[in-house]
Amino acid sequence: GEDVEQSLFLSVREGDSSVINCTYTDSSSTYLYWYKQEPGAGLQLLTYIFSNMDMKQDQRLTVLLNKKDKHLSLRIADTQTGDSAIYFCADDRGSTLGRLYFGRGTQLTVWP
Amino acid sequence: GAVVSQHPSWVICKSGTSVKIECRSLDFQATTMFWYRQFPKQSLMLMATSNEGSKATYEQGVEKDKFLINHASLTLSTLTVTSAHPEDSSFYICSARDGLAGVGGELFFGEGSRLTVL
Repeated sequence: GEDVEQSLFLSVREGDSSVINCTYTDSSSTYLYWYKQEPGAGLQLLTYIFSNMDMKQDQRLTVLLNKKDKHLSLRIADTQTGDSAIYFCADDRGSTLGRLYFGRGTQLTVWP
Repeated sequence: GAVVSQHPSWVICKSGTSVKIECRSLDFQATTMFWYRQFPKQSLMLMATSNEGSKATYEQGVEKDKFLINHASLTLSTLTVTSAHPEDSSFYICSARDGLAGVGGELFFGEGSRLTVL
């Protein structure tokens, strides 16, 4: 199986909260990341969390990390149609250089 | 803010030709850049780590003679797909981190280059 796993699809109504989940296997991860990719575009860093933290909040985004279970989630409050995109979870496996290992991405569709 | 730029954004070529993709860090120096490949609806797969002034480090299963990487300056890395074939068609994305930002510094991604080999 893959080292970083995500569910592939999520649909929500505008204004609701979205929760995207990710599991990873490498216990040496230092940072875990969430990236957003819009159609035909590169990746945009949304947020990241240090592995010794269990929560990080940044405006509408809340990241929860359960290091014991190697589970990471991204909650988007008041989801908007502009949030429709693919969201990638990534971990660095302890690399300090910038090598990242990605999940397959979760396609978030927001319905008006 | 810091930007990583890729060129070309898309390229179509005939089978058997070679294609060069550039990755530039526009306002910071990057001693290390990374090349990823993304198939449709798939994850980004790390192909190689590009090191300024030295040989690239390739991930297992990536043909170094097929995907030539040159990192001749602190702001430019190039990926050359040699003798391209249709199975090389993909979205290639580079990333770079500001060498002065330290651990955890933001990693910036290029906009990607879509290669289609006919």
